[in-house]
Amino acid sequence: ETGVTQTPRHLVMGMTNKKSLKCEQHLGHNAMYWYKQSAKKPLELMFVYNFKEQTENNSVPSRFSPECPNSSHLFLHLHTLQPEDSALYLCASSAPGGAGNEQFFGPGTRLTVL
Amino acid sequence: DQQVKQNSPSLSVQEGRISILNCDYTNSMFDYFLWYKKYPAEGPTFLISISSIKDKNEDGRFTVFLNKSAKHLSLHIVPSQPGDSAVYFCAAADTGRRALTFGSGTRLQVQP
Repeated sequence: ETGVTQTPRHLVMGMTNKKSLKCEQHLGHNAMYWYKQSAKKPLELMFVYNFKEQTENNSVPSRFSPECPNSSHLFLHLHTLQPEDSALYLCASSAPGGAGNEQFFGPGTRLTVL
Repeated sequence: DQQVKQNSPSLSVQEGRISILNCDYTNSMFDYFLWYKKYPAEGPTFLISISSIKDKNEDGRFTVFLNKSAKHLSLHIVPSQPGDSAVYFCAAADTGRRALTFGSGTRLQVQP
């Protein structure tokens, strides 16, 4: 595998379910990100991890719980979601350094909450 | 309040002509700007970037222009090709944060 991979690509879940999204990067990067893209809205940053440490939480509800066990893997644990949480969830990674470092995105997980 | 705005949700141009995509921002702290391209069912892919110390950056058919006083940037694609048809996102960053702030995107359709 190369680049940034995300699994699953599609997920349908009920409001009482617990599920997890997985992201893996094979680029040797040290920063990883979760973004959310709702229909007709800009990509919204959710979380930033730098060297496995969370450095930013963009006021995300606690029903979204990120986990970064190492610099190559990032998870987003989901529980008691709402239908309005249905969106495309994108993971990205970048090399250490300044804000201008290019972020590489995975293909996303299309989440539907029933 | 959106800090990065792409006011044109869609743009259609003929093959071979110039495509101009526009982006406005409000945050004076932004000092690095990027354009991403997104095809359906794929994540955004990096296209071109520009630092606030420059006003132009060119890479092949793609040129980004930055007007700091107007807080405006644009992406020019010349000549446009059908394969350029995609959604284009403008993004901005400041050196205090690692994260990007995105616009809502412009869907470009290049007609053969």
